[in-house]
Amino acid sequence: AQSVTQLGSHVSVSEGALVLLRCNYSSSVPPYLFWYVQYPNQGLQLLLKYTSAATLVKGINDFEAEFKKSETSFHLTKPSAHMSDAAEYFCAVGGDDYKLSFGAGTTVTVRA
Amino acid sequence: DAGVIQSPRHEVTEMGQEVTLRCKPISGHNSLFWYRQTMMRGLELLIYFNNNVPIDDSGMPEDRFSAKMPNASFSTLKIQPSEPRDSAVYFCASSYSGDTQYFGPGTRLTVL
Repeated sequence: AQSVTQLGSHVSVSEGALVLLRCNYSSSVPPYLFWYVQYPNQGLQLLLKYTSAATLVKGINDFEAEFKKSETSFHLTKPSAHMSDAAEYFCAVGGDDYKLSFGAGTTVTVRA
Repeated sequence: DAGVIQSPRHEVTEMGQEVTLRCKPISGHNSLFWYRQTMMRGLELLIYFNNNVPIDDSGMPEDRFSAKMPNASFSTLKIQPSEPRDSAVYFCASSYSGDTQYFGPGTRLTVL
């Protein structure tokens, strides 16, 4: 069984500040890990994914995430927040059965 | 490239009525997923198909829900009879053999 815990349902950052969203996973098999972003009234868009290659994964819009097996974590970061980053972010874990388990989501607000 | 297409985008119906949601996956994808998103329960996987065959429907809430995939380019999710607690956003996603899932824009269902 796989599950994801996202720490913090809301994060508020200043424009230009670091964005850090936390995700811890539980998986009985080597996991596939994903970060998706959802803008208001839209579907989920893939930001990045980890599939057992490099542990530091770079995604779109300068987001990146680091897989740390010892900590069972896959935290998402962006060095400098932009107003357009305001959205809800979901971490997800998948295994060999094609299914994804999603975290509860973290809403990011960006202060001017 | 056309992404996952869902229709309708919004549906308002009265309790007891039949509701049919439609999905066209990305051409060439062989896995299709139906999700439901609510504030209380987050993103839940309802059912998924692989090569048009239902593989796991354990997330379908009850017998009022049914899903079909008659061919590789079309799937439906039907609720009959609908109830107010079915109000949610329903997403369809597709992938190729368990790789990244791509989401449609969703159908916002309101049952009065």
